[in-house]
Amino acid sequence: GQSLEQPSEVTAVEGAIVQINCTYQTSGFYGLSWYQQHDGGAPTFLSYNALDGLEETGRFSSFLSRSDSYGYLLLQELQMKDSASYFCAVNNAGNMLTFGGGTRLMVKP
Amino acid sequence: GAVVSQHPSWVICKSGTSVKIECRSLDFQATTMFWYRQFPKQSLMLMATSNEGSKATYEQGVEKDKFLINHASLTLSTLTVTSAHPEDSSFYICSVQGGSGHTDTQYFGPGTRLTVL
Repeated sequence: GQSLEQPSEVTAVEGAIVQINCTYQTSGFYGLSWYQQHDGGAPTFLSYNALDGLEETGRFSSFLSRSDSYGYLLLQELQMKDSASYFCAVNNAGNMLTFGGGTRLMVKP
Repeated sequence: GAVVSQHPSWVICKSGTSVKIECRSLDFQATTMFWYRQFPKQSLMLMATSNEGSKATYEQGVEKDKFLINHASLTLSTLTVTSAHPEDSSFYICSVQGGSGHTDTQYFGPGTRLTVL
C-alpha cells in the first residue's frame, strides 16, 4: 500500500518560518508535490521535487530526500494569507497523485 | 500551469436524481484528466482517471455505474453522479496533468460542491 504522514496542525506567528514535514511509503515513486488549499477552495500547486535537494520558489521552498522517503515544505516570512491546508502528494506511475492527510497551518498576528 | 474550469461550482439536488459536473481544460489539450472527491476536513481521494476516447479507470471502491465519466474531447470531461444520495454530498474536483508548467504536475479546477437533500 501507500501512505503519507504529515502533521495535522501547525501554528505559527506572522513573519516566522515554519516547516511542514512529510514522510511516505509508496511504490513507483516519481516525485513529491506540494499543494495549498484554502477553505472552500481548490488545491493550488506550490512545488514539485523529483530529485533530492531543495527547490526554492519565492517564500516557499521544498526539499526531498528519496533515500529517507522524506520531504518538507518550508514557508518563510509567514503572512496571514498563508493560513490554509497544505498537502504533500506522491506522484506515482501513470502520473497519479496520492495525497497525504493535509496539514492545517494557522498563522497568528 | 494549466487553467481548468468546472461547472457548476455548487449544486443542490434531491435524493435519487442525477447530477452532471463538467471539467474543462481551457488552455491546452488534455488527454488525461482526474476526478477527486474531498469530504470536509479530509484529504483528496482519487476517484478515477479519465482518458480521452476510452473508458475511465476507476479506483478501488468507486462504483463505475454510479459515477459515470465521459471524456469525449481533449478539453472536456464530465462526471455524472447517478441516483445521488446524501452520502454522495462532497466536494468534487477535477485536475489535468501537464500544461505549460511541470509536465508531471496536476492542476486543479475550482471544484464543485454537491449537496444531496
